[in-house]
Amino acid sequence: DTGVSQDPRHKITKRGQNVTFRCDPISEHNRLYWYRQTLGQGPEFLTYFQNEAQLEKSRLLSDRFSAERPKGSFSTLEIQRTEQGDSAMYLCASSFTGLRSRGPFEQFFGPGTRLTVL
Amino acid sequence: DQQVKQNSPSLSVQEGRISILNCDYTNSMFDYFLWYKKYPAEGPTFLISISSIKDKNEDGRFTVFLNKSAKHLSLHIVPSQPGDSAVYFCAASLGNQFYFGTGTSLTVIP
Repeated sequence: DTGVSQDPRHKITKRGQNVTFRCDPISEHNRLYWYRQTLGQGPEFLTYFQNEAQLEKSRLLSDRFSAERPKGSFSTLEIQRTEQGDSAMYLCASSFTGLRSRGPFEQFFGPGTRLTVL
Repeated sequence: DQQVKQNSPSLSVQEGRISILNCDYTNSMFDYFLWYKKYPAEGPTFLISISSIKDKNEDGRFTVFLNKSAKHLSLHIVPSQPGDSAVYFCAASLGNQFYFGTGTSLTVIP
């Protein structure tokens, strides 16, 4: 088990282009979260999946953002018509509900995808 | 609106002494509070959590205290070690949504 992985680690794109990021959670984890982090800020919640169902979305998430988690395994986050304000680190985290967790909602974070929109 | 606040951007502590990191929140409906540690170029790592119905939780060198009346929580690290140098985020959950503070950069001086 190598932890949560994210691909790509870095993405540079031009304004107006679409981008897609992938997250592979820890295999037995049923919960998956996407966050955005800008410089000097903490992670900002974007959306949450339990298995394949998207159960929570931040009201701050514009309709240019869409996330999927087909079959409850990996997840993708797509940003359409990127804007310079979308430049940030996009973090994925996963967790599971079970006796082995150290506490409720113990999330394991991936290394993030850094997006730069020119 | 920032519902979870960490007002100290940085903290320096001598090795072996106690580190106290503070966090304030505004929403009394938060049900769990968590602390994460982050090293450069890595994602945050979970440290410890506390339910809103408790006032203290301890795990090894780490203790989290919750003062609901003051809407304040703190993380105590005793004794502090150089490897503890990192950015520490507090977070609060409301259902399945999580709200993070802006982080405190801890430096433990050998």
